[in-house]
Amino acid sequence: QKEVEQNSGPLSVPEGAIASLNCTYSDRGSQSFFWYRQYSGKSPELIMFIYSNGDKEDGRFTAQLNKASQYVSLLIRDSQPSDSATYLCAVAPSNTGNQFYFGTGTSLTVIP
Amino acid sequence: DVKVTQSSRYLVKRTGEKVFLECVQDMDHENMFWYRQDPGLGLRLIYFSYDVKMKEKGDIPEGYSVSREKKERFSLILESASTNQTSMYLCASSFLQQPRGRRSYEQYFGPGTRLTVT
Repeated sequence: QKEVEQNSGPLSVPEGAIASLNCTYSDRGSQSFFWYRQYSGKSPELIMFIYSNGDKEDGRFTAQLNKASQYVSLLIRDSQPSDSATYLCAVAPSNTGNQFYFGTGTSLTVIP
Repeated sequence: DVKVTQSSRYLVKRTGEKVFLECVQDMDHENMFWYRQDPGLGLRLIYFSYDVKMKEKGDIPEGYSVSREKKERFSLILESASTNQTSMYLCASSFLQQPRGRRSYEQYFGPGTRLTVT
């Protein structure tokens, strides 16, 4: 079982819709969760991080964390073509110091 | 703004050559990481360092070594490049996680080096 799992997609949504990206993790003691966006040929760029159960909003992005169910999600409201990218979920487990575990990413395409 | 730079964006080397990839960060981060990224395999950790002259193996250290002589600089060395080391190499840095201290230890990535070994 992988430490962090994401649906690889591709996920396609029309412009203006809500895109929902999901991530599950195996280490119940994980404390910190991160979402990165990666455009084709570029390096990952941090979008958001979340530590506490519940929702965290930043502009059009909302991260949701449910530690009991061991999942974290990213919602993108009013999706734009410029949001088309691969989204990586990263988890900092409880016992590995400062390493992250990354999912393999979900490819999102926003159709104009 | 956090700045992580890598010495080359694109590099082409021959099999058997010794290859040096350099990474520099300007945020006084304790941690530095080297990953490689391949289609379908995601990001895989090669080595990381939490202090000068300290290093820890990641998931795929074979065929690689690292050097950290200064806090801001972390080098990845391919002792004898092979074709299966053709990949995108990404450097990242972050603050050190403290038990009761700063909790903001997200990793910031450099632009990456696309290495091709022929």
